[in-house]
Amino acid sequence: SAVISQKPSRDICQRGTSLTIQCQVDSQVTMMFWYRQQPGQSLTLIATANQGSEATYESGFVIDKFPISRPNLTFSTLTVSNMSPEDSSIYLCSVGHYNQPQHFGDGTRLSIL
Amino acid sequence: AQTVTQSQPEMSVQEAETVTLSCTYDTSENNYYLFWYKQPPSRQMILVIRQEAYKQQNATENRFSVNFQKAAKSFSLKISDSQLGDTAMYFCAFMKIPSNFGNEKLTFGTGTRLTIIP
Repeated sequence: SAVISQKPSRDICQRGTSLTIQCQVDSQVTMMFWYRQQPGQSLTLIATANQGSEATYESGFVIDKFPISRPNLTFSTLTVSNMSPEDSSIYLCSVGHYNQPQHFGDGTRLSIL
Repeated sequence: AQTVTQSQPEMSVQEAETVTLSCTYDTSENNYYLFWYKQPPSRQMILVIRQEAYKQQNATENRFSVNFQKAAKSFSLKISDSQLGDTAMYFCAFMKIPSNFGNEKLTFGTGTRLTIIP
């Protein structure tokens, strides 16, 4: 399976600031996904990142708050903008190639003060 | 829209025993995939097992096996000879069959926290 590197692994940020999370894969993949896992909860999809096109956002998530880039088939970024304590979560990227199961990065644990 | 339900928030079992985690789902799709992922305290999501809905045979991976009942929309995970390293959150997940050789989002259940007792 693909090796996925997600950075940073954790961060503590001030409210009102923004943080960009990177997801790097060691092979080309068709789809990359960004999920949020709030404390003690399950995973919820934020958006699907397609190479060369705009990301597709799920209901309740907007591009101004969570801009995503996908410049090539091995890399994507998620920015959490204008952060508030409610954004404290684990953010995970996953990759899906054709109909293969998705594999996940180690996640970014984000805390907002 | 799909929903996935895990009705057991927490379970515990003695080491070496067998444990079964339950999952039910609701969908109007006829073809889909079902997965079990585990998330240890290290927080990485690890794929445990996959089941294709069009296959009648239940999937197995070493000590892990599933009981897939398509008509009942049930998908349970059995862990045999449980080990301390099996302690984790276990999530059941649903995925539509991708079209055009793409991939689709995962819909997760709320998870079951499994503790293996020495």
